[in-house]
Amino acid sequence: EPEVTQTPSHQVTQMGQEVILRCVPISNHLYFYWYRQILGQKVEFLVSFYNNEISEKSEIFDDQFSVERPDGSNFTLKIRSTKLEDSAMYFCASSEWSNEQFFGPGTRLTVL
Amino acid sequence: SQELEQSPQSLIVQEGKNLTINCTSSKTLYGLYWYKQKYGEGLIFLMMLQKGGEEKSHEKITAKLDEKKQQSSLHITASQPSHAGIYLCGADGVYSSASKIIFGSGTRLSIRP
Repeated sequence: EPEVTQTPSHQVTQMGQEVILRCVPISNHLYFYWYRQILGQKVEFLVSFYNNEISEKSEIFDDQFSVERPDGSNFTLKIRSTKLEDSAMYFCASSEWSNEQFFGPGTRLTVL
Repeated sequence: SQELEQSPQSLIVQEGKNLTINCTSSKTLYGLYWYKQKYGEGLIFLMMLQKGGEEKSHEKITAKLDEKKQQSSLHITASQPSHAGIYLCGADGVYSSASKIIFGSGTRLSIRP
């Protein structure tokens, strides 16, 4: 069964460093998303992406964040200068034409 | 902005018993989603409901959306240890193919053998 994959599973970085989180969405899906979940809190929407551009972004998704689909299979989330409060589980999701979003296993980001 | 309230926050049930989890929205929903999350892991899609009064079942899990499309319930029949986890309801309030999902806080379900 096709699934969303994410790498790495765990990323540890120093405050101020740049990180890139990678996702491979399900191959025939057209819509891509990033969400995050701070430990003990709700899953929060960050950004949606369609046709090589951002469809919608939340207030959390400020200038420190960017997304890219560099080739036909990968979807990346870059955080330019990480802060302590960026520590969270980051989930990638993808959907076909409906809004049934399928989530990856997540990348746990720890900022020290 | 849309808010989702889930109840109860946590639930411990004896294996084999039935249980219900509720999700209430502050606004009319376009789509209502149920996901299951194991601690520290990804979200597993369970069901999506869109029509008022709609009901869907998968194995021993049944989800319903009320006629007014503001409340949903998830019912598990004859619970098993594999049902343990965190159940999240999510909602989108607009018609869009790439709409953000707003999630509730989750219901943590434990199954007692």
